[in-house]
Order: sequence, then C-alpha cells, then structure tokens
Amino acid sequence: AQSVTQLGSHVSVSEGALVLLRCNYSSSVPPYLFWYVQYPNQGLQLLLKYTSAATLVKGINGFEAEFKKSETSFHLTKPSAHMSDAAEYFCAVSGPGSARQLTFGSGTQLTVLP
Amino acid sequence: NAGVTQTPKFRILKIGQSMTLQCAQDMNHNYMYWYRQDPGMGLKLIYYSVGAGITDKGEVPNGYNVSRSTTEDFPLRLELAAPSQTSVYFCASRKDRADWYEQYFGPGTRLTVT
Repeated sequence: AQSVTQLGSHVSVSEGALVLLRCNYSSSVPPYLFWYVQYPNQGLQLLLKYTSAATLVKGINGFEAEFKKSETSFHLTKPSAHMSDAAEYFCAVSGPGSARQLTFGSGTQLTVLP
Repeated sequence: NAGVTQTPKFRILKIGQSMTLQCAQDMNHNYMYWYRQDPGMGLKLIYYSVGAGITDKGEVPNGYNVSRSTTEDFPLRLELAAPSQTSVYFCASRKDRADWYEQYFGPGTRLTVT
C-alpha cells in the first residue's frame, strides 16, 4: 500500500525567502511521485513529477524537488518565494497496477508574508 | 481542448435527495477518477474507471455509484445524500502510460448537504 505524509499543514515564509515543503512516502513498488498546487477555489495543477529519470526534478514557477530513496522523501523547494506562490500544495504517490491511483498527502498551506 | 469539465460548480442538497455530478473529458483518456476533498484531509479516491464499461471502487466508495458508458463521460451518482457527503468533488483523467501517469483535474464541484 502507498502512503504520503506531509509535515506541516501550514508553512509561512517571507517574500524572497526559501520555500521548503516536506513530503515522505511509502510505496510497495518503485514510486512515481508528484507535487500538485491548488489555488483558492480551483482544481489541482501539476507542479512537477518524479519518474526515475533524474533525482532532481525541475517544475513550473521555479519549483524543484529532490527524490531521496534512502530517506523516502520528495521535498519541494523554491529559492525565493513570491506572493503568487501562496496556495495549497499536495504531494502524491502513484500506486501499482494499471490503474495507477494517486494517494495524496493531507496538503500544506503556504502563506507568503510581505 | 476543454480538458476535464465538471458540472455543476456548486450545489446544495437536502438530506435524502439524490443527484448526479457530471464529468467529461475531451482528451480521449482511458482512465478517469473521482476524488473528494475534505479540509485537512487531502484527496480521497471514490471510484475510478480504466475504460468504457469498467469501473472499480477506490478508498471511500460508500454512498456513491458510477457508470462509464462512453470514453468521454464519467458521472458520479449520490443516491441518498447525507451531511457526511458535504465536500468538494474532483474528477480527473489520464492517458494510458503517457506523461508518466500524470492526472489532469477538473475545476471541482462544491456540494453541501443540509
């Protein structure tokens, strides 16, 4: 079975500061991992995905994530936060089998302070 | 392409009423999914489909039914609405093996049962 743990349901950073959102996973198969972002009253948009091609994955809007198998982690980072980054972020792991259901973490609400 | 569309955007139901949440995609995707999102809980999978005529239960299927008569449409049926079904519902789809199992999400339906 797959599971995802996101440490910190709320994270606040100042504009221009480093953003670090934590995600740990467990998976019975080599994982495909995803970060999605959700802006208020909108659906989920893919930020980036890990597919085993490279451990450091770059996504949209300056975000990147590093896959660390030994730590079963896939933390999301951005060097300099922007006000427009304020949103909820979800980490997800893809399950086995042809259906590849996604199992989501509980989400981290990012607040960017001026 | 319109992508994944959902109707209605908002709905208020009385306890015991029934309704169908509509989901359609125009990307010729085989796989379709229904999730519910509750505050602080992330997204939970209700039902999924791997193609027309084939559906299966997810993590939280009780109180819901689905059908998949065409590739494009995947409606979700609530038969006897209960307050516990107050949630935001998201439909998603993906193409077989393409984009490393990335799912594309609709804008959501916000349902309140009173």
